Amino acid sequence: DQQVKQNSPSLSVQEGRISILNCDYTNSMFDYFLWYKKYPAEGPTFLISISSIKDKNEDGRFTVFLNKSAKHLSLHIVPSQPGDSAVYFCAASPPGANNLFFGTGTRLTVIP
Amino acid sequence: DTEVTQTPKHLVMGMTNKKSLKCEQHMGHRAMYWYKQKAKKPPELMFVYSYEKLSINESVPSRFSPECPNSSLLNLHLHALQPEDSALYLCASSLRGNTEAFFGQGTRLTVV
Repeated sequence: DQQVKQNSPSLSVQEGRISILNCDYTNSMFDYFLWYKKYPAEGPTFLISISSIKDKNEDGRFTVFLNKSAKHLSLHIVPSQPGDSAVYFCAASPPGANNLFFGTGTRLTVIP
Repeated sequence: DTEVTQTPKHLVMGMTNKKSLKCEQHMGHRAMYWYKQKAKKPPELMFVYSYEKLSINESVPSRFSPECPNSSLLNLHLHALQPEDSALYLCASSLRGNTEAFFGQGTRLTVV
């Protein structure tokens, strides 16, 4: 039972444009959400997180939006750069818990 | 130091072998994790250690045996593995629950 879902397995974007990656979750108890970036044969690299008490968190080119009523979060990357090409995983955690539930990933390709 | 270091990077082992994966962090994190990732799938949680005590075992077969000798080290002992256990094994650590987890580069394990 996949509690965190990324319904787009891949996304291609022109360099300089905005990349929007989406994530849906089913467990309303999740209160902490994260985005990770992963290159082949490497571990995931933490990008940005958001607590359920917020609806937006921004860090440089990366912004995460949380819509709790829709159980949906998104990651915006602007402007997109070729070095952003990777697989992006969203993850969620229940309160006080030590485990992350990962989505299935979206492969982003930024075209120069 | 924001690194989680895993050794070895690659491991090939036979089904009768005994081997160990090692993970080290010096960030003062008190939660450490083992994840398993198969190709084109999200990381799946195997074990969580919190304050050097095993707090989560996600019904992992006994041929995988975790060990946390101290707050900086995490081992995964492997014995009598099957070819389907071939995967990328990721170690991660976090300050506590509901904070971002930092991942190591992973050990690419092949069971022959």
